[in-house]
Amino acid sequence: DVKVTQSSRYLVKRTGEKVFLECVQDMDHENMFWYRQDPGLGLRLIYFSYDVKMKEKGDIPEGYSVSREKKERFSLILESASTNQTSMYLCASSGGGRAWGYEQYFGPGTRLTVT
Amino acid sequence: AQTVTQSQPEMSVQEAETVTLSCTYDTSESDYYLFWYKQPPSRQMILVIRQEAYKQQNATENRFSVNFQKAAKSFSLKISDSQLGDAAMYFCAYRNFTGNQFYFGTGTSLTVIP
Repeated sequence: DVKVTQSSRYLVKRTGEKVFLECVQDMDHENMFWYRQDPGLGLRLIYFSYDVKMKEKGDIPEGYSVSREKKERFSLILESASTNQTSMYLCASSGGGRAWGYEQYFGPGTRLTVT
Repeated sequence: AQTVTQSQPEMSVQEAETVTLSCTYDTSESDYYLFWYKQPPSRQMILVIRQEAYKQQNATENRFSVNFQKAAKSFSLKISDSQLGDAAMYFCAYRNFTGNQFYFGTGTSLTVIP
């Protein structure tokens, strides 16, 4: 079974702190994604990566950056956390290269609270 | 940009009954994929069912089936013989065949009444 893990289930940070959320998948998937999930808004894509060191912006990249130095690991970085970044963050991965014909596998999520 | 619309924020069904969750999407493309995902309370999101747009036959997975109407851009999920474990948030998702993004609806919260 595909396993996608996230570094924390719950995280509380202060405004202005730098925050790292890490995601690891164990199925050698090419593609990895970061979403934020908010009630009534569904999932919104922040960034995705289709290869090591490659990244593309999603719908809401402002205030976030990402890093993918190894195929299995995709990090989401909040350079200076703000209260409007309080949310549930979901990581996902999928196989199939750039021509994605495959479903995504999700991690358990990190509930981030910025105070 | 493609959009995915789930017009039913909440649904309920009696145990053992059948329920249908609605999803519509907007696209100008002919080849794409559609998915239904399930997110139980405080648990991971998992795939329920997938449909390739080029296939006319509706996908089925045990008690779960879809009604895919390509011309109408409609992709509904039918859950037969509902069970308590089916209670979850259900998300409809669209993926462009040659593109690089998945689009999700806002979700439908399904309650199963014993």
